[in-house]
Amino acid sequence: EVQLVESGGGLVQPGGSLKLSCAASGFTFSSYSMHWVRQAPGKGLEWISHIRTSSSTIYYADSVKGRFTISRDNAQNSLYLQMHSLRVKDTAIYYCARQRGSAWSEFDYWGQGTLVTVSS
Amino acid sequence: DIQMTQSPSTLSASVGDRVTITCRASQSISGWLAWYQQRPGKAPKLLIYKTSTLESGVPSRFSGSQSGTEFTLTISSLQPDDFATYYCQHYNTYSTFGQGTKLEVK
Repeated sequence: EVQLVESGGGLVQPGGSLKLSCAASGFTFSSYSMHWVRQAPGKGLEWISHIRTSSSTIYYADSVKGRFTISRDNAQNSLYLQMHSLRVKDTAIYYCARQRGSAWSEFDYWGQGTLVTVSS
Repeated sequence: DIQMTQSPSTLSASVGDRVTITCRASQSISGWLAWYQQRPGKAPKLLIYKTSTLESGVPSRFSGSQSGTEFTLTISSLQPDDFATYYCQHYNTYSTFGQGTKLEVK
């Protein structure tokens, strides 16, 4: 059974840092591109980052570029999101999601999310 | 950047109704569009991909279609389980979601 389990969320002050993790199981993690998607309280979904299988190619939404870093450890079946210079508007549930195909493809599995609250 | 404009933002309907939700792309996206359902407190669930392909296990009352840059999710006969929020997504290197449609009980 495919499982994605996020962790690392919590309360952080504006300007602070936090690192999220996503533990993958039930599939060959190294064969899939992975994404982070967030959802502010009561708002819609916002895609924020994409990492390909070997970490060779990485993409970010403009809203997080230069502040967030996506990475993966295929040996540990884990995806990460290092977040710096956090702002109040970064407050959201952060989901990791698996991209099904190797090229442009939909997100077929999602984690349950981890809540990040940026507040003083 | 490609923008996805989803409408309506809220839709009131009753069990048994046929409903449609629309997503318009700001330019051609060659059918790279998915629909997700999200229930309160839960992660999104993939319903349809590549415009009209039903994800395994999704009831056949859900369907997707395209006309130019306009994409439609149709639920042919609403069931109690279907009241949720729906999102379209254009997926490529950079993904873009629509604003969401909350389907509520009339």
